[in-house]
Amino acid sequence: DAKTTQPNSMESNEEEPVHLPCNHSTISGTDYIHWYRQLPSQGPEYVIHGLTSNVNNRMASLAIAEDRKSSTLILHRATLRDAAVYYCILRDVNNNNDMRFGAGTRLTVKP
Amino acid sequence: KAGVTQTPRYLIKTRGQQVTLSCSPISGHRSVSWYQQTPGQGLQFLFEYFSETQRNKGNFPGRFSGRQFSNSRSEMNVSTLELGDSALYLCASSLRTGRSGELFFGEGSRLTVL
Repeated sequence: DAKTTQPNSMESNEEEPVHLPCNHSTISGTDYIHWYRQLPSQGPEYVIHGLTSNVNNRMASLAIAEDRKSSTLILHRATLRDAAVYYCILRDVNNNNDMRFGAGTRLTVKP
Repeated sequence: KAGVTQTPRYLIKTRGQQVTLSCSPISGHRSVSWYQQTPGQGLQFLFEYFSETQRNKGNFPGRFSGRQFSNSRSEMNVSTLELGDSALYLCASSLRTGRSGELFFGEGSRLTVL
């Protein structure tokens, strides 16, 4: 199974951009890159996903390297509410919903 | 639109007992998957159901089982509980299986085994 590597923790100041990196050097051609986050005492929440091209939505942007071996989740202006554990996951479209979560990155946002 | 509902939210059991957890997916969602979350192992996939059929299964012993009903509601059962089964059990639903779309998670059922 393809694996992802993320830093254990990161800190950011409120209203500043945050770049959360993820390495997935063994990604296959059918793997989508998904990001979820988990706020304290809640279930994971979908953030964004992509295959090859960069993606934007109301929550974040996803920048995918040309070789797809790494990606970066970008929060354009961090708020206190963005403090959470962020998971980068590779999801094989042929393997249903078996998503392999890693340890994720714990993001702390300082006021 | 109501989200994924899991019941009960909290429960305490003793070793050797069994437990059944329930998950009601978002209306219209036919795929339900289950995850176990512990501090040591993180989030681990248990199994997935689609149209009452188990489509995929994680690496858990046979004590962990599940089923899905015709209305897409799902239950998971853990028999002969062990202390290590203490965890947050999360259910997620999605429109279909085998697609790249998002999963919607419930808030989980926190099981404590004494």
